[in-house]
Amino acid sequence: GDSVTQMEGPVTLSEEAFLTINCTYTATGYPSLFWYVQYPGEGLQLLLKATKADDKGSNKGFEATYRKETTSFHLEKGSVQVSDSAVYFCALSDLGGYNKLIFGAGTRLAVHP
Amino acid sequence: KAGVTQTPRYLIKTRGQQVTLSCSPISGHRSVSWYQQTPGQGLQFLFEYFSETQRNKGNFPGRFSGRQFSNSRSEMNVSTLELGDSALYLCASSLEGGSNQPQHFGDGTRLSIL
Repeated sequence: GDSVTQMEGPVTLSEEAFLTINCTYTATGYPSLFWYVQYPGEGLQLLLKATKADDKGSNKGFEATYRKETTSFHLEKGSVQVSDSAVYFCALSDLGGYNKLIFGAGTRLAVHP
Repeated sequence: KAGVTQTPRYLIKTRGQQVTLSCSPISGHRSVSWYQQTPGQGLQFLFEYFSETQRNKGNFPGRFSGRQFSNSRSEMNVSTLELGDSALYLCASSLEGGSNQPQHFGDGTRLSIL
């Protein structure tokens, strides 16, 4: 079945460092891909999305490109801030599943001043 | 525009009891999905409703059920609670439920089973 694999955390960075969180997926067909972020005590917030190969999603300085050839959707940010500390989830949308999202395990990011 | 609202935020129950959780989607959204989040299993899909019909169901026992009302509000029910049902239950809504539509999540209901 479809699945998402994320790099394990926690990822610890200093403020203004470059961030990469790796995400690869296994799916039949061409699913839509998403990054969600979860702050402590809250639900998930959509960070960005891409719906077809070579699409680049971007939001708040974060970017991710849908790479069909490597089945990847890595999240990047050029300069992280303390306020970016959260758990990041990569997800794909099951094409036949009416809004069924399949999530990776999540990657905790801690940014220190 | 108000977001997805889940009530209650916290619940404490004992084994064997049943519980009902509520979700009000974003105005105009007709698709509502439910997810269970636990430290061990991560985020898992429970079911999805659209126009009062369940269109998809995850791999959970029949003790987990749900419904959707004509105003798109949704409830999920868990009967005969077990310790393993302790989790954060998240509700998400989207316009029509297409696979490329983003889902908007509520802050969840944290259920603790004693």
